[in-house]
Amino acid sequence: SAVISQKPSRDICQRGTSLTIQCQVDSQVTMMFWYRQQPGQSLTLIATANQGSEATYESGFVIDKFPISRPNLTFSTLTVSNMSPEDSSIYLCSVEGTGETEAFFGQGTRLTVV
Amino acid sequence: SQQGEEDPQALSIQEGENATMNCSYKTSINNLQWYRQNSGRGLVHLILIRSNEREKHSGRLRVTLDTSKKSSSLLITASRAADTASYFCAPTWGNTPLVFGKGTRLSVIA
Repeated sequence: SAVISQKPSRDICQRGTSLTIQCQVDSQVTMMFWYRQQPGQSLTLIATANQGSEATYESGFVIDKFPISRPNLTFSTLTVSNMSPEDSSIYLCSVEGTGETEAFFGQGTRLTVV
Repeated sequence: SQQGEEDPQALSIQEGENATMNCSYKTSINNLQWYRQNSGRGLVHLILIRSNEREKHSGRLRVTLDTSKKSSSLLITASRAADTASYFCAPTWGNTPLVFGKGTRLSVIA
């Protein structure tokens, strides 16, 4: 199993600013993922964060808007850049969670852009 | 990756009753996982059932899988107010990230 500390738990941000969300895992993990959950919706995969290489983004998500760092096997950050009210969502990191293994999730970051 | 579709979208029951929610999917799978989400928090893994299994139990949870119908069900017996949450299924094939549907919002009324 894995325990994930995700920070901040919530934030209210001004339009046009950026927010960096951090995920710290208590063990080394290969796969880390970032999801977005818009109000009342399901989770949408933003990207897979690979250690030592660039993240792999899903369709509709770009690196300029959602830059991701993965400096080691226990840590990752997601930045939401140049925010607009449409970015108001819950952002979640998870580890493992591929077809063969269960996923472990952080507690989420509830972002409100005003 | 493929996405499951949960049904119903919302379910409201009295405490002590059983809750059943269903998941349908479109293509072959290796396994299917169920997760719970409380109030927009992180998802918690409940059960993983493999494609060669038909039924699996964990405490008050019972999951069935019918690969011929491409469907799964999650039964929560003797529900409690603390079971109030959204429930998601994630059918999976290969070593790919999990994809989630819209979930079933379960409300258990005390």
